[in-house]
Amino acid sequence: KQEVTQIPAALSVPEGENLVLNCSFTDSAIYNLQWFRQDPGKGLTSLLLIQSSQREQTSGRLNASLDKSSGRSTLYIAASQPGDSATYLCAVSRETSGSRLTFGEGTQLTVNP
Amino acid sequence: NAGVTQTPKFRILKIGQSMTLQCTQDMNHNYMYWYRQDPGMGLKLIYYSVGAGITDKGEVPNGYNVSRSTTEDFPLRLELAAPSQTSVYFCASSYALPGLNQPQHFGDGTRLSIL
Repeated sequence: KQEVTQIPAALSVPEGENLVLNCSFTDSAIYNLQWFRQDPGKGLTSLLLIQSSQREQTSGRLNASLDKSSGRSTLYIAASQPGDSATYLCAVSRETSGSRLTFGEGTQLTVNP
Repeated sequence: NAGVTQTPKFRILKIGQSMTLQCTQDMNHNYMYWYRQDPGMGLKLIYYSVGAGITDKGEVPNGYNVSRSTTEDFPLRLELAAPSQTSVYFCASSYALPGLNQPQHFGDGTRLSIL
C-alpha cells in the first residue's frame, strides 16, 4: 500500500527566505506526482504536476523535483512571501489517468512579514 | 468561471440521518472524485467516476454511495450518518485519457458535523 509522508508538518520562515518542502513515498511505481496548495477553508489548487519520466517542473518561484527511484520529491519556493502562507500537499498516482491520488498529510507553511 | 461547485458549504446532522452532498462541474471533465479530509490529515478518496454511469470505490467507501447520471453531476449520499463521518468533503474533477493526465480541480468543500 502506497504511503506518502511530508516533512516537516509545519514550517515558519521570515519573508524573503528560500525554502524546501519534502515529500516521500513508499512505492516507486508511480505515474505522476502533484503538489497542491490549500488555503484555510478552501479546496486544493494544483501547483505542479511531474510525470514519472520527468525530473523537475518549474512555475514562477516554484520548482518541484522528483527522484522516483529513491521515492522522494521536493518543492522549492524561492524568495518566500506572506501570500505563500498555506498548507502544501503532495500526492502520487499509479494510474496513467492520474486518478486515485494518494495524499500526504501536508506541510503548513507560515511566512512572516 | 464556476469550476467545481459543492453544496451545501456547512451542515450539521444527527446520528442516523441521511443527506446528499451535491457536486457539479462545468468543465466537461470525464473524471470526478469525492474525498474526505479529517483534521490535520491528507485527503482520502471515497469514490470516483470515469464517466457517466461508471463509478468505483476508493480507499474509504464504507457508509457512502454515489451515482453519476450526467457528466456534470456527481452526488455523494450518506445513508445512516455516524460520528466517524464528521469531516470536510471535497469534490474534484479532471480530464484524463490514457497517457494524458491533467491536474484535478477542487471545489471549496462541505464541512459536515454529525452529532
